Amino acid sequence: DAKTTQPPSMDCAEGRAANLPCNHSTISGNEYVYWYRQIHSQGPQYIIHGLKNNETNEMASLIITEDRKSSTLILPHATLRDTAVYYCIVRSFSGAGSYQLTFGKGTKLSVIP
Amino acid sequence: ETGVTQTPRHLVMGMTNKKSLKCEQHLGHNAMYWYKQSAKKPLELMFVYNFKEQTENNSVPSRFSPECPNSSHLFLHLHTLQPEDSALYLCASSPTPTGNSQPQHFGDGTRLSIL
Repeated sequence: DAKTTQPPSMDCAEGRAANLPCNHSTISGNEYVYWYRQIHSQGPQYIIHGLKNNETNEMASLIITEDRKSSTLILPHATLRDTAVYYCIVRSFSGAGSYQLTFGKGTKLSVIP
Repeated sequence: ETGVTQTPRHLVMGMTNKKSLKCEQHLGHNAMYWYKQSAKKPLELMFVYNFKEQTENNSVPSRFSPECPNSSHLFLHLHTLQPEDSALYLCASSPTPTGNSQPQHFGDGTRLSIL
């Protein structure tokens, strides 16, 4: 399994870009990087995923380094509703034949007015 | 996101009760999952279903009994639970369980409390 390392917490001013880093130095060539977030009392919400190219959708951008050993999730204009725990996950193939999501401790992002 | 709906949102039960959790997905997916999230612990995968067939059971105690009557519905039947089973139970779905580039989509979970 490729493990990920994230800072435990970050603050971001409302309206500013939030840049959340993730290290995954043991990632394999065919393993995708996924980002989810979890707001208190809700289920994890899928944000974005990528393999090696940078990706962008309506929620965020994902920047993956060329060596794929780290990535950054960018929320371009953070709002108070973006306050959540953000999880960076490298999916691993289980022995039973499915891709598992292994959630770590994530980064608690606090957006400050 | 309303693609995956779980009911009830909250459940309190005694150790001798029998109850069921329900999950329904409206995304046309074929794979469904049960996860457990305990306080201050990461999500733990419990079961995986693909086209109604169980493909994974991560050593879950038999007091948890899943049922998948079709690709859109998933149940978790509970009986004689223990206090340590109190947790948030999350359901998820994806197009298939083997697609590397297919995200799983989660419901908001059932908060279960065992008295």
